[in-house]
Amino acid sequence: EADIYQTPRYLVIGTGKKITLECSQTMGHDKMYWYQQDPGMELHLIHYSYGVNSTEKGDLSSESTVSRIRTEHFPLTLESARPSHTSQYLCASSKWGELFFGEGSRLTVL
Amino acid sequence: AQSVSQHNHHVILSEAASLELGCNYSYGGTVNLFWYVQYPGQHLQLLLKYFSGDPLVKGIKGFEAEFIKSKFSFNLRKPSVQWSDTAEYFCAVSPHSGGGADGLTFGKGTHLIIQP
Repeated sequence: EADIYQTPRYLVIGTGKKITLECSQTMGHDKMYWYQQDPGMELHLIHYSYGVNSTEKGDLSSESTVSRIRTEHFPLTLESARPSHTSQYLCASSKWGELFFGEGSRLTVL
Repeated sequence: AQSVSQHNHHVILSEAASLELGCNYSYGGTVNLFWYVQYPGQHLQLLLKYFSGDPLVKGIKGFEAEFIKSKFSFNLRKPSVQWSDTAEYFCAVSPHSGGGADGLTFGKGTHLIIQP
């Protein structure tokens, strides 16, 4: 069982809305990540964090932002959602090179 | 930057058939290699990993993978598949020097369907 939780699992919203995808882990891992995944495509890293107050952008450019105020919490925010943001967002944490994933948040922007 | 290629996007097999999913990577240095699996409605989870040592690694549920350095390959195998192996399988690679997963690159995944 993974000890990493994402909410909401599914979200349908209108263009221009602000949304926050929550991610929490209870394993005490310092390293956390956000990936974006479209159907039939590879996972793309959009943000990562090595610990509290540390955030970096990943390989795939994203208009989202992240914060890491607490070790266990790594929320992702979109200030103004657009249809191009429709995707699945996966949160993960890691220790010793192994990633532990949440169940994902599937976002649809109308 | 590294890249990962998974040869088959969709594979359909009957129960008890043997499975081999191809994975090739491109990177000039030493790598860590992973296979992740996502069962329907569940989160991605680690199937097996290779960091160093014996190039034949065994994972959960009877899966194994062999690292062939000369071929830049890390193919996933299972001698006899079951219906419950129906899932999406992702190969991933990271530079060996990296301690975290910020350098982890994923393939596009292989959708495996096992028919009863």
